Amino acid sequence: QLQLQESGPGLVKPSETLSLICTVSGGPITFNSNNWAWIRQPPGKGLEYIATMYYSGNTYYNPSLKSRVTISVDTSENQFSLKLSSVTAADTAVYYCARHGRSGSNWFDPWGHGTLVTVSS
Amino acid sequence: EIVMTQSPATLSVSPGERATLSCRASQSVSSDLAWYQQKPGQAPRLLIYGASTRATFIPARFSGSGSGTEFTLTISSLQSEDFAIYYCQQYNNWYTFGQGTKLEIK
Repeated sequence: QLQLQESGPGLVKPSETLSLICTVSGGPITFNSNNWAWIRQPPGKGLEYIATMYYSGNTYYNPSLKSRVTISVDTSENQFSLKLSSVTAADTAVYYCARHGRSGSNWFDPWGHGTLVTVSS
Repeated sequence: EIVMTQSPATLSVSPGERATLSCRASQSVSSDLAWYQQKPGQAPRLLIYGASTRATFIPARFSGSGSGTEFTLTISSLQSEDFAIYYCQQYNNWYTFGQGTKLEIK
C-alpha cells in the first residue's frame, strides 16, 4: 500500500527558502504513471493547492505561488520535493504531499500525514 | 480560476440523522469533483471522486451527487466518527478546493 511521509525543517526564517521532501514507500515513484503534488493548510484554515509534478516531467503551479515554487522528483531516492522561496508569515501552514491522479482522475489520494512549517525569526 | 463555494460553513446534526452538504462551482466542472473528510490533527481522506463514486473502503452511508456546477455530499444516519470537516475539490480546470463545511454534533 502506498504511503507518503513529509520531512523538513519545522521553522524557517522570513525571506528564506522552505524546503520539504516527501518520501514514497510501498512502490516505485515512477509506477503506474503517478503524478505527485503538494497542498498546504494554514492553521485553522482550508486547503490550498500548491503544485504538481506530472509523470511526463511537466509541472503545474498554483498561479498565486508560481513565482516562488519549485517541485522536483528524485527517482533514485523515491522522493519528491518542494521549495518555496522568500517566505513570510503567511506561508506558515501544515504542508501535505499526496499522489495526484492521472488525467481525468486528478484527485489526491493518498496523503501524507503533513508537517507543520512555521515562518518566524 | 474556478471558485468552489461550500455551504453551510457549519452544519449541526444529531447522530443517526442525515446530513446534506453542498458545493457549488463558479463554472461547470462536469463530474470532475471529489470530496474529502478531515478530522482534527489528520490529513484529508478521499471519500468520493467523479462526483458520485465512493473511494475504496468508504462506507455506503456516504453518497455524492450532482454535475455541472451543483454538487451534494449526503451522509445518511450519521455516526460519531463522521463529525469532521468536509472539502470539495474540482479537477476539471486545474485544481481548487472549497473552503470546507464543518459537520458538528447537535
